Amino acid sequence: VVMTQSPLSLPVTLGQPASISCRSSQSLVHRDGNTYLSWFQQRPGQSPRRLIYKVSNRDSGVPDRFSGSGSGTDFTLKISRVEPEDVGVYYCLQGTFWPTFGPGTKVDIK
Amino acid sequence: EVQLVESGGGLIQPGGSLKLSCAASGFRVSSKYMSWVRQAPGRGLEWVSIIYFCGSAYYADSLTGRFTISCDTWKNTIDLQMNSLRADDSATYYCGSGDMPNNVNLWGQGTLVTVSS
Repeated sequence: VVMTQSPLSLPVTLGQPASISCRSSQSLVHRDGNTYLSWFQQRPGQSPRRLIYKVSNRDSGVPDRFSGSGSGTDFTLKISRVEPEDVGVYYCLQGTFWPTFGPGTKVDIK
Repeated sequence: EVQLVESGGGLIQPGGSLKLSCAASGFRVSSKYMSWVRQAPGRGLEWVSIIYFCGSAYYADSLTGRFTISCDTWKNTIDLQMNSLRADDSATYYCGSGDMPNNVNLWGQGTLVTVSS
């Protein structure tokens, strides 16, 4: 399954919203009824960190300004108000099949 | 504290072998989906291998049987034996534990593998 993301680069203004799109080459609905689409943040020089799992579930400790939505093949990560610590690369991951990541979206401050 | 610590990376010649290890603390590796994910310098993330509860193991097709994941329940570690290494295997290798298949919610700090003559 091929994952694509857009944009690949996203300059943002502090305090403003940001949105990243992720699309899969086939439906991510598993035979068990779940959709295994996750979002990860990788800050510069750090390991990745999971933010969202199964499309819209926020991990513990993740600020509520992060939200995930979507279905089937089309998914979105939204940041309601960008903070300085949100700078980094964001990856979507599908786990319905052999896991594959999107190419990443680099978020930086304008 | 719940954490993962990788070790074993380094510089290795093409065609050589290397074994990475991932030590878990605060939980049992046999209770999780344990994975290795790699990231070539300046590149994206690529899933390498996953082992379910120290049982069934799966690998990326691209590895063509060169890598083997294993579990040591006594040491509470996950290992990755890498053989016939190539330049394009150069990457930071992350160990991760997951609360569901094909996912990671706890990552190690990574260990760098450089394949070069």
